[in-house]
Amino acid sequence: AQKVTQAQTEISVVEKEDVTLDCVYETRDTTYYLFWYKQPPSGELVFLIRRNSFDEQNEISGRYSWNFQKSTSSFNFTITASQVVDSAVYFCALTRGGNYGQNFVFGPGTRLSVLP
Amino acid sequence: GAGVSQSPSNKVTEKGKDVELRCDPISGHTALYWYRQSLGQGLEFLIYFQGNSAPDKSGLPSDRFSAERTGGSVSTLTIQRTQQEDSAVYLCASSRRAGPQPYNEQFFGPGTRLTVL
Repeated sequence: AQKVTQAQTEISVVEKEDVTLDCVYETRDTTYYLFWYKQPPSGELVFLIRRNSFDEQNEISGRYSWNFQKSTSSFNFTITASQVVDSAVYFCALTRGGNYGQNFVFGPGTRLSVLP
Repeated sequence: GAGVSQSPSNKVTEKGKDVELRCDPISGHTALYWYRQSLGQGLEFLIYFQGNSAPDKSGLPSDRFSAERTGGSVSTLTIQRTQQEDSAVYLCASSRRAGPQPYNEQFFGPGTRLTVL
């Protein structure tokens, strides 16, 4: 069975601090995909990133960076120099690869509050 | 804009009544997904459509839940004999095709908040 754990329920930081959101996953598949989504107060989920299980390169996009470690089954998300607009609930998700990759398993989410 | 739209945005109903939730996907997207998000919880996969067919209904929580999609476009999620535990936000998403391949990311609608009294 697949499972995604986000142990941090809520995090509060002060603007300009760096913050890392943890994601640990469980799967028996060798081919799988990991995702991060952002859900701002408006409610609509916004896709942030997709990684496949064969690509362990870390990725940086502006203030966002992702650290994929297969050895620890983790896919952590770091926001550098956080801003108030980063306040949202962040979800990590996992799906199988190939033709089975339709059932997305989401973690419970981490609520990030960035205080001015 | 041409995003995913859902209606109604809010629905309050009495226990035992049937409800229908509607999703209009992005034009041209062949895959459509329904999720449920209970208060303070993550997203729970319900069902997905590829075209008009639903290869995976494994997430539907009970036989009171059903969904259909006609014309490869609009989808309706129906909950019969609603219960209080059905209260949640129901999210719809669409993607160009099913599966996690590049360019198939899911675009989410704003959701329908269902409250069962």
